[in-house]
Amino acid sequence: QKEVEQNSGPLSVPEGAIASLNCTYSDRGSQSFFWYRQYSGKSPELIMFIYSNGDKEDGRFTAQLNKASQYVSLLIRDSQPSDSATYLCAVFSGSARQLTFGSGTQLTVLP
Amino acid sequence: GAGVSQSPSNKVTEKGKDVELRCDPISGHTALYWYRQSLGQGLEFLIYFQGNSAPDKSGLPSDRFSAERTGGSVSTLTIQRTQQEDSAVYLCASSHPNTGELFFGEGSRLTVL
Repeated sequence: QKEVEQNSGPLSVPEGAIASLNCTYSDRGSQSFFWYRQYSGKSPELIMFIYSNGDKEDGRFTAQLNKASQYVSLLIRDSQPSDSATYLCAVFSGSARQLTFGSGTQLTVLP
Repeated sequence: GAGVSQSPSNKVTEKGKDVELRCDPISGHTALYWYRQSLGQGLEFLIYFQGNSAPDKSGLPSDRFSAERTGGSVSTLTIQRTQQEDSAVYLCASSHPNTGELFFGEGSRLTVL
């Protein structure tokens, strides 16, 4: 079983819709959770992080964390074609002091 | 520097040659990671440093790959006797050990002919 799993893509949504990206993790001791965006040919860039259960909103992005279910998600409201990228979930284990990435979900927003 | 710096940005080499890739992390970041990414693929974890030690070398694909970090700062990834399947973008990232937030360099694109 992979330590960090993301829903398989590719995911296509129409412009203006809500894109929902999901991630589950196996280490219950995980402390910090990150979403990275990677455009084709570019390095990953951090777009959201969340430490506590619940929702965290930043503009059109909302990260949701449920530690009991070992689940973290990213919602993108009013999706734009410029949101088309691969989204990587990453989980930081305090005990291992190490960050683990999921395999990524490719999102395409159709104009 | 302001960000993670990697060099060279592009390297073309012949099969069988050795290559050395360099990463200069953000000042004060004690954790340093190396990843490999082939075209259209996800991030492949190679090695992780905490200070100068490497608690996890499990991702190194073969004994042709080695990495070191000195002074808790600059790291070098060395690939000996390169093969065509080594062609990829090699990404370095550094993070503060408490927050885990990772900052990536622009990568070194390696092409083995």
